Amino acid sequence: DAGVTQSPTHLIKTRGQQVTLRCSPKSGHDTVSWYQQALGQGPQFIFQYYEEEERQRGNFPDRFSGHQFPNYSSELNVNALLLGDSALYLCASSPGTGTSSQYFGPGTRLTVL
Amino acid sequence: QKEVEQNSGPLSVPEGAIASLNCTYSDRGSQSFFWYRQYSGKSPELIMSIYSNGDKEDGRFTAQLNKASQYVSLLIRDSQPSDSATYLCAASGYSTLTFGKGTMLLVSP
Repeated sequence: DAGVTQSPTHLIKTRGQQVTLRCSPKSGHDTVSWYQQALGQGPQFIFQYYEEEERQRGNFPDRFSGHQFPNYSSELNVNALLLGDSALYLCASSPGTGTSSQYFGPGTRLTVL
Repeated sequence: QKEVEQNSGPLSVPEGAIASLNCTYSDRGSQSFFWYRQYSGKSPELIMSIYSNGDKEDGRFTAQLNKASQYVSLLIRDSQPSDSATYLCAASGYSTLTFGKGTMLLVSP
């Protein structure tokens, strides 16, 4: 049973560029949530997708956007990258949007120079 | 503002001892609580979930929840050096997780 997968593993970008991160949920899961984890901090919620729609959003600017595909996979897009966007980006999947446990993928380490 | 507070540590315990990790949360609407283990450079791994007041045991791990005090704890019995990691506490009101900054646990042989 495949767990949550993310790509790429690492990414280096320069300020002002755009980036797309990808996530495939665990088998049987239809909800994908994205989190940003800065060094020494806990993960911070960006947004959640269910039935191809953004259901909830954290306190992140509109530069952060996403998409969910019919096969439940998801993308996170960040435009106009800032140095402060450097972080570990985590995707978590769960069955439904309730209080079910969320399982994280390995993450994408983004470095903005 | 929903907040989850944890002591950053490090919490140092000898091998074989009980490690006690604590967490408080601000949102009384939180319904479910989770403990994740995160090794350096890796992603969080779910180790325990708890939804009701009281204790929940799973192997060497026991999670404790007190909603009246807005307090969650994780006990690790017979601590092993491989338990050395950062432990993240998370609270969920409906479906999104609010995390603390984590407590670093160091288990010395």
